[in-house]
Amino acid sequence: RKEVEQDPGPFNVPEGATVAFNCTYSNSASQSFFWYRQDCRKEPKLLMSVYSSGNEDGRFTAQLNRASQYISLLIRDSKLSDSATYLCVVNGAGGGNKLTFGTGTQLKVEL
Amino acid sequence: NAGVTQTPKFQVLKTGQSMTLQCAQDMNHEYMSWYRQDPGMGLRLIHYSVGAGITDQGEVPNGYNVSRSTTEDFPLRLLSAAPSQTSVYFCASSYQRSGTSGSWADTQYFGPGTRLTVL
Repeated sequence: RKEVEQDPGPFNVPEGATVAFNCTYSNSASQSFFWYRQDCRKEPKLLMSVYSSGNEDGRFTAQLNRASQYISLLIRDSKLSDSATYLCVVNGAGGGNKLTFGTGTQLKVEL
Repeated sequence: NAGVTQTPKFQVLKTGQSMTLQCAQDMNHEYMSWYRQDPGMGLRLIHYSVGAGITDQGEVPNGYNVSRSTTEDFPLRLLSAAPSQTSVYFCASSYQRSGTSGSWADTQYFGPGTRLTVL
């Protein structure tokens, strides 16, 4: 089993749709969790950290389920500018103080 | 505040050549790391450092060396380039957080990347 697994997509959705991405991780001792966004041929940038209680930032909501070792990202009212690859990142997934990146889920928002 | 800078942006090497990818940050971050990104593989950790004088291996360290003589700089050396090292290389830095279960890297700030081709 991969340390961090994501559905690669692509997810093709119309503008205004709600879309959800899931991510699972293998190490129950993992300590911190993030969602990053990466545009084509650019560096990854933090979208949001994921807290145990769940957190929301505008149209984006992140959830963490430690019992199921599962992280989710919900995007409401999708915009064309949301088109990107979304990376799930876990610290400690491979043991120790190391960040492990999922391979990413590609989102394409269409008119 | 320049953030994380990387040089060069592009590089073409011949097999067997050596070179150093430069990375610098001006945010006084303790944690610095190098990743490579290949199609379908995601970002994979090469080496990381939790402070000056301290480095450790990541998932794919073979063929690469690092050192951390200052907080600001974390160069990555390719000892003898091979075509399998053709990739996009990202340097990143972050603060370290501490808690009862130890310390861990916080939000990573990435440099713009170096696109390396080895012929």
